[in-house]
Amino acid sequence: EVQLVQSGAEVKKPGESLKISCKGSGYSFTTYWIGWVRQMPGKGLQWMGIIYPGDSDTKYSPSFRGQVTISADKSISTAYLQWSSLKASDTAMYYCARPQSSGSFDAFDFWGQGTMVTVSS
Amino acid sequence: EIVLTQSPGTLSLSPGERATLSCRASQSVSRRYLAWYQKKPGQAPRLLIYGASSRATGIPDRFSGSGSGTDFTLTISRLEPEDSAVYSCQQYDNSPWTFGQGTKVEIK
Repeated sequence: EVQLVQSGAEVKKPGESLKISCKGSGYSFTTYWIGWVRQMPGKGLQWMGIIYPGDSDTKYSPSFRGQVTISADKSISTAYLQWSSLKASDTAMYYCARPQSSGSFDAFDFWGQGTMVTVSS
Repeated sequence: EIVLTQSPGTLSLSPGERATLSCRASQSVSRRYLAWYQKKPGQAPRLLIYGASSRATGIPDRFSGSGSGTDFTLTISRLEPEDSAVYSCQQYDNSPWTFGQGTKVEIK
């Protein structure tokens, strides 16, 4: 069974750093892209970026490039999304998701449960 | 970047009625790499349609997708109470993949 299990909710202060995780199981982690999607409170879905764990090829939305870092550790089948200096505007639910097809861009058919990040002083 | 504009913003219909949701792209989604997702509060998004018109695994046949180029449609033929949700389109033809802003479907 394919599963993406994300790390738990976080409450942070502005300026702090954070790294959240997404662990894949039940499939070949290195041969599927893993994407990250943000949903701010009351807003729609935003595509942040995507990584291919096999070779760490990463693509970012221009809106998020330089604001976050996407990485993966294939030895433990885990993808990460990290911030070096959080802002209040980073408060959102963050989802990881896997495309349908291995090795190619495709619609996301498996999703993590989401990680709520709250940034408040 | 391909901008996806969805309409209407909100659709309020009764059970059994037909819902028609629109997704318009700012440039052609050339390989019909267009997906539709359903999002309910407290749940992760659920893939409904991929490739503009193919239903994902386990999706009831009352959900259908159509369109090409810049105009795409999601149709829910007979609304059920559990179809109350926000529906978003996404293109995965060109990076950055982008989502529409969503259409909220309310069941009266």
